[in-house]
Amino acid sequence: NAGVTQTPKFQVLKTGQSMTLQCAQDMNHNSMYWYRQDPGMGLRLIYYSASEGTTDKGEVPNGYNVSRLNKREFSLRLESAAPSQTSVYFCASSEIDRASQPQHFGDGTRLSIL
Amino acid sequence: AQSVAQPEDQVNVAEGNPLTVKCTYSVSGNPYLFWYVQYPNRGLQFLLKYITGDNLVKGSYGFEAEFNKSQTSFHLKKPSALVSDSALYFCAVRDSGSGNTGKLIFGQGTTLQVKP
Repeated sequence: NAGVTQTPKFQVLKTGQSMTLQCAQDMNHNSMYWYRQDPGMGLRLIYYSASEGTTDKGEVPNGYNVSRLNKREFSLRLESAAPSQTSVYFCASSEIDRASQPQHFGDGTRLSIL
Repeated sequence: AQSVAQPEDQVNVAEGNPLTVKCTYSVSGNPYLFWYVQYPNRGLQFLLKYITGDNLVKGSYGFEAEFNKSQTSFHLKKPSALVSDSALYFCAVRDSGSGNTGKLIFGQGTTLQVKP
């Protein structure tokens, strides 16, 4: 009963390096989301995928790309990391066409960019 | 613009006392409202939601929330706080401009500190 699994849990990068954050869910959900959490700012949506094969920008997409690899997996890529991208990143999933249903979250990836 | 506000960065309460964590929202149409809790180094966990119906909704761990349409509020409550309730609490509202995608807009979070 894993739910939403994120890897890695922690990562330190140097400015300019690239990295992919992985997310997988085993609840057969169609919709998946990537958020970043910064102190005092709540969670801000980076990208989301309403269903397999589709992705859309959220509130703060600049500097990020995503891939919906299949129904289970949704990855987030930083092509050239910047210190401003130091944050905690959360992946979430929910049922499609069920806006009344809650999102389920992974435990996050803590990313530090030097 | 749609938004969620949690006016208190931190709420302090003694164990056994009632607690309230405040949330107000601004959204077009009927709001779908959620409360989540986050423990240290963990993801958000769903507590409860209001979609329609009774204004008082009950959720996990003894929490409840009251929907007030006229005041556009959705305050989280618990009759008797536990030290283990100490955590970060987020209010969220469905982005009504997103169709049925389930996108959420989150408040900035309120830290609840329950002292023995």
